[in-house]
Order: sequence, then structure tokens, then C-alpha cells
Amino acid sequence: QKEVEQNSGPLSVPEGAIASLNCTYSDRGSQSFFWYRQYSGKSPELIMFIYSNGDKEDGRFTAQLNKASQYVSLLIRDSQPSDSATYLCAVRPTLIQGAQKLVFGQGTRLTINP
Amino acid sequence: GAVVSQHPSWVICKSGTSVKIECRSLDFQATTMFWYRQFPKQSLMLMATSNEGSKATYEQGVEKDKFLINHASLTLSTLTVTSAHPEDSSFYICSARVTSGGRGSSYNEQFFGPGTRLTVL
Repeated sequence: QKEVEQNSGPLSVPEGAIASLNCTYSDRGSQSFFWYRQYSGKSPELIMFIYSNGDKEDGRFTAQLNKASQYVSLLIRDSQPSDSATYLCAVRPTLIQGAQKLVFGQGTRLTINP
Repeated sequence: GAVVSQHPSWVICKSGTSVKIECRSLDFQATTMFWYRQFPKQSLMLMATSNEGSKATYEQGVEKDKFLINHASLTLSTLTVTSAHPEDSSFYICSARVTSGGRGSSYNEQFFGPGTRLTVL
């Protein structure tokens, strides 16, 4: 089982709709969760982080965390063509020696159709 | 967020040569930096954790003698790919963890450099 799993997609969403991206993780003790956006040929850009159960909203983005289900999601409201990118879920594991590093999922490719 | 730069942004070299890539935190101090490699259509793979003033911690399967990491100051880490071969061609990305003086919202986020595309002929 991979440590962080995402559906690789592609996920196609019409412009203006809500895009929902999902991620599951295997380390039950993980405390920190991050969503990065990566455009083709570019490096990842941090868009959201969440540490507590529940929802966290920032503009059109909402991160949702459910530690009991080991599940974290990202919702993008009013999707725009510029949101088309690969979205990477990242988790910080709890092992002491790995406390600083992030483990990335394989990413979900999102396409917003005008 | 905090700004991380990388140099060069791309490099083409002949097989057998060595290539050095620099990663700098521009507006904050980073005691910890990370080096990743990304092959086309694949996710980021952590190669090593670079700690200022100490030896880097390499991930399993990454040859420490081939990928030399030096983190000599709080704002600079370098990755040297020694005796590069075509299979080393990849997108190399560094990131820095905000520890103090940065503009991040917390002290746990990693900010990525723009990446270096290495092509070995």
C-alpha cells in the first residue's frame, strides 16, 4: 500500500463547477497535510495546508481533513481554466527521523473545460 | 510565501561530467532543505534531506556518492550530480522548510524552488 494515494485522473470539470480532489494516507499518526498545485513543466506551489479535523477555507479553495478515515480532500469552487494542473497531496509522517519530510501522492491531473 | 531560487534553471551536459545545482532561500533562513527528482508524468520523489552544518540524509536507493549534497549556510544548499549519465536526466527540485524569518503562515511549510531540468547526452 502506498503511503499517500490519489486518483491520477484525469479529472474533467466544467468551468464554474466544483472540483473535488481526494487523498488517503496510511500513517494514522500523521499530523500535517498539504495540497500543492503543479503546472506542467513547473515546480509545485503550496495552495493549502491543514492540521486539524474539519474544513479550512481560503478563497475558492477548501481543504477537508478526516483523521479517523485517514482522508483529506481539496474542493475548488467556481473552477476556472487556470485551475487546470496536477494537484499533489502531501503528508508529513510521524516517524521521528522522518518528521520533517513530506510524502507525496502521485498527483491528480485536473482539467477545467470552458 | 517564502521565496526559493534554483540555479541553473536548465542544463545540458555530456555523459560522464558533473553538474552542480544551487538552491537558495532568498528571504528566510532554512536549516533544512530537501532535494527531489521528478521524471515525466510521475510524482516527486524525495532524494535527500539537507541539514545545515551536517551530513545529508539520503532516501533508500539514492546513491550518496553520486548525488553530493552540501548545505554550508542557512540560505544555500547544493546538489552535485557526479559522472552524470542519460538516466540521470530529470527535473530536480529543491524545497526549503521555513524555520524563522520567513513569510509563511507557519513554521512547517515547504516552499519549492522553480526546478532545474537536467539533460545528459
